[in-house]
Amino acid sequence: AQTVTQSQPEMSVQEAETVTLSCTYDTSESDYYLFWYKQPPSRQMILVIRQEAYKQQNATENRFSVNFQKAAKSFSLKISDSQLGDAAMYFCAPPVGRKRFGAGTRLTVKP
Amino acid sequence: GAVVSQHPSRVICKSGTSVKIECRSLDFQATTMFWYRQFPKQSLMLMATSNEGSKATYEQGVEKDKFLINHASLTLSTLTVTSAHPEDSSFYICSASTGTRVETQYFGPGTRLLVL
Repeated sequence: AQTVTQSQPEMSVQEAETVTLSCTYDTSESDYYLFWYKQPPSRQMILVIRQEAYKQQNATENRFSVNFQKAAKSFSLKISDSQLGDAAMYFCAPPVGRKRFGAGTRLTVKP
Repeated sequence: GAVVSQHPSRVICKSGTSVKIECRSLDFQATTMFWYRQFPKQSLMLMATSNEGSKATYEQGVEKDKFLINHASLTLSTLTVTSAHPEDSSFYICSASTGTRVETQYFGPGTRLLVL
């Protein structure tokens, strides 16, 4: 089964600080992508970052970066210089298929 | 790019009526669209996968006669909740993609359905 596990229901970070959200996954596939999505209070799901499994280099999008550990099947999201607008639910998407998103991590940003 | 719209954003209906929700990919051709349901403070639950021109594939436990899905074109999929009941009240989200396995999904803004 293509499953993901987010073990942090809630996280909090001070504005301008760095926070890391964890995600582990399970797959037997060799070709897959990993995604982090953000869901702010508006409930619109927004793609944050994407990692291709065959690439060893960690993906980066401005203040967002990932720590991809393929052997450990770990895919954590690092948010640097946290901003108030980063407050949201963050979901890790399954590596293959679309069924089982992670349970989500609620990120609070303190001013 | 990669914008997905969903309409209506919220709808209130009476028990027993049917409600149609539209999902459109505005700037790309979506061979596959997905419909999710999200309960408060929970993750997304996949209801069905639809491919343009073919019947939708429903997840276990989802009544296909209750939740009718049509994917008539590469840019439009519709979800019709038939004979809606209060327990169907929820937040429904669609997403569009160019594939079913590893391709990026782009999500619509969601539809909040309230059945009285």
